[in-house]
Amino acid sequence: GAVVSQHPSWVICKSGTSVKIECRSLDFQATTMFWYRQFPKQSLMLMATSNEGSKATYEQGVEKDKFLINHASLTLSTLTVTSAHPEDSSFYICSAFLPSPSGTYEQYFGPGTRLTVT
Amino acid sequence: AQKVTQAQTEISVVEKEDVTLDCVYETRDTTYYLFWYKQPPSGELVFLIRRNSFDEQNEISGRYSWNFQKSTSSFNFTITASQVVDSAVYFCALRTLNTDKLIFGTGTRLQVFP
Repeated sequence: GAVVSQHPSWVICKSGTSVKIECRSLDFQATTMFWYRQFPKQSLMLMATSNEGSKATYEQGVEKDKFLINHASLTLSTLTVTSAHPEDSSFYICSAFLPSPSGTYEQYFGPGTRLTVT
Repeated sequence: AQKVTQAQTEISVVEKEDVTLDCVYETRDTTYYLFWYKQPPSGELVFLIRRNSFDEQNEISGRYSWNFQKSTSSFNFTITASQVVDSAVYFCALRTLNTDKLIFGTGTRLQVFP
């Protein structure tokens, strides 16, 4: 089946620094990828929709200048958390769309990246 | 507006018991897709099932079964003869034809004790 990878799987950074998280579709091309954030014991909340070759679409309440998304190729989207603060500590999950033979789209999730800001 | 409600926050059962996880959804769209995902402690989401709004047939896959009822906007998930390995957080999710976004419920944490 389709595989989506994320790198790194976990990262610890100091407050004020920036962290980049990569999301790759390993065996298919994904024109659309999504970024989710999940705080402990909470649900997944969509942060933004990343479209290859165009600007990302952010959900209400998500700061686009803080969470920079770049979808430069059909297999790679990156999320950069700029000037990270402890409240940005969370589990970040990406997903990618793959058209299925039935004409629908299936969404495949990456394994997630756990960010801890100290 | 789209919404998914999982009223059960946590469920604890003893191994071999049957357990049903409830999911109620809201949408005005006539074409939509419903999903169940499992999230074990590792954090990686595991896809369990996708059901479209035109297919109300219930489905069984091994110890898992799903009951889709449009009349009550529910898509419940039953695990038969639960096992310790079933311990995880289970999410119900909704996607409509008009949008590619997945709307997740708040999840139900299932603990199966030996």
